[in-house]
Amino acid sequence: SQTIHQWPATLVQPVGSPLSLECTVEGTSNPNLYWYRQAAGRGLQLLFYSVGIGQISSEVPQNLSASRPQDRQFILSSKKLLLSDSGFYLCAWKVRYLPESPGDTQYFGPGTRLTVL
Amino acid sequence: GQQLNQSPQSMFIQEGEDVSMNCTSSSIFNTWLWYKQDPGEGPVLLIALYKAGELTSNGRLTAQFGITRKDSFLNISASIPSDVGIYFCAGTANAGGTSYGKLTFGQGTILTVHP
Repeated sequence: SQTIHQWPATLVQPVGSPLSLECTVEGTSNPNLYWYRQAAGRGLQLLFYSVGIGQISSEVPQNLSASRPQDRQFILSSKKLLLSDSGFYLCAWKVRYLPESPGDTQYFGPGTRLTVL
Repeated sequence: GQQLNQSPQSMFIQEGEDVSMNCTSSSIFNTWLWYKQDPGEGPVLLIALYKAGELTSNGRLTAQFGITRKDSFLNISASIPSDVGIYFCAGTANAGGTSYGKLTFGQGTILTVHP
């Protein structure tokens, strides 16, 4: 079965410090990977998605960047955190499109709670 | 871009009551998904719908893909305290690989169940 991991679970960082959040998926190959941010427990905003190693698409301009150094690893980074970067960060994966498996079901990790002070 | 309007924003019900929530879109969606999120955790998939008119059940949960492709509803029957959480609808406007699976989410329905 497939599992998705995120770490750390919680993080408190000062303004201006760097950030690195990691997401890994097990039990599947060539997944699509996604980073979301959720503010105040409502609404998920898609930040980045990746359809393969080294392929990153950004959905919104921001202070964050993403990388995919390995097939099942997705990293969210920042060089200098802002107060507005606080939130709940979620990683998700989806099976690469297969004709016999229609639909775009995404499966989420447990999330990372980031507080920037 | 696409937007999903989810209602109601919150519900306060008594244990044993039935619950209904829905999502509407101004554009056609090809996939509708319903997720539940508990505090401090990631959303968990409840039901996935892939065809217009499709009605799918998962235990006490029932969801339907609207025939117009612009709406979906989720019903919970005989609610219990563990149903408490935030329920999200989500969907994709283009099927398969061309959309890269990007989901649009509703703003969520906060469900509170009083014992």
